[in-house]
Amino acid sequence: SQQGEEDPQALSIQEGENATMNCSYKTSINNLQWYRQNSGRGLVHLILIRSNEREKHSGRLRVTLDTSKKSSSLLITASRAADTASYFCATDARGAAGNKLTFGGGTRVLVKP
Amino acid sequence: DAMVIQNPRYQVTQFGKPVTLSCSQTLNHNVMYWYQQKSSQAPKLLFHYYDKDFNNEADTPDNFQSRRPNTSFCFLDIRSPGLGDAAMYLCATSRSSGSWYEQYFGPGTRLTVT
Repeated sequence: SQQGEEDPQALSIQEGENATMNCSYKTSINNLQWYRQNSGRGLVHLILIRSNEREKHSGRLRVTLDTSKKSSSLLITASRAADTASYFCATDARGAAGNKLTFGGGTRVLVKP
Repeated sequence: DAMVIQNPRYQVTQFGKPVTLSCSQTLNHNVMYWYQQKSSQAPKLLFHYYDKDFNNEADTPDNFQSRRPNTSFCFLDIRSPGLGDAAMYLCATSRSSGSWYEQYFGPGTRLTVT
């Protein structure tokens, strides 16, 4: 089964609104990462949060991590049409061999102009 | 610009006809990955190379093979493609320093099996 599960699966908002998506995972992690994927393209790294961090910001992105609940959230503030994409969380499991990430199922975000 | 390049972007092959997808990188990263991504699903790791060391995922079918002749190039060979192998194939790279790394993805190759 997937390490990460995301909700909602899909999200539709108006431009200027905030978008929040959540990720839950099952095992202890070294870090958790968020990636964006535009339709039919590769993934782009957005932000990495370490297991000893609780919150991190990058531009309009805010990520939180709660290791006690094994969950993370990604907030995109003041969304733009260009933010329309799928967003994936990925975990680097503690103790896993090699440099492997396990991706969640993704949240499809549609930002309407 | 340093990047991960995948060729071709679109590949059509016939059922059972071997196909090779290629990936190259100018980032000089020592780790390279191949993922399979089906429509509206998460990328699924097939295997990765840590330098020359090949690491296969337990559930990757034997039909999928990989070669890494040098640091810059990595190939995905599908020996006998089935209809279920139609997917987007993503190549990625990363450094391996410590535990804090990100992966850099190519644009992907969309494989169609007829």
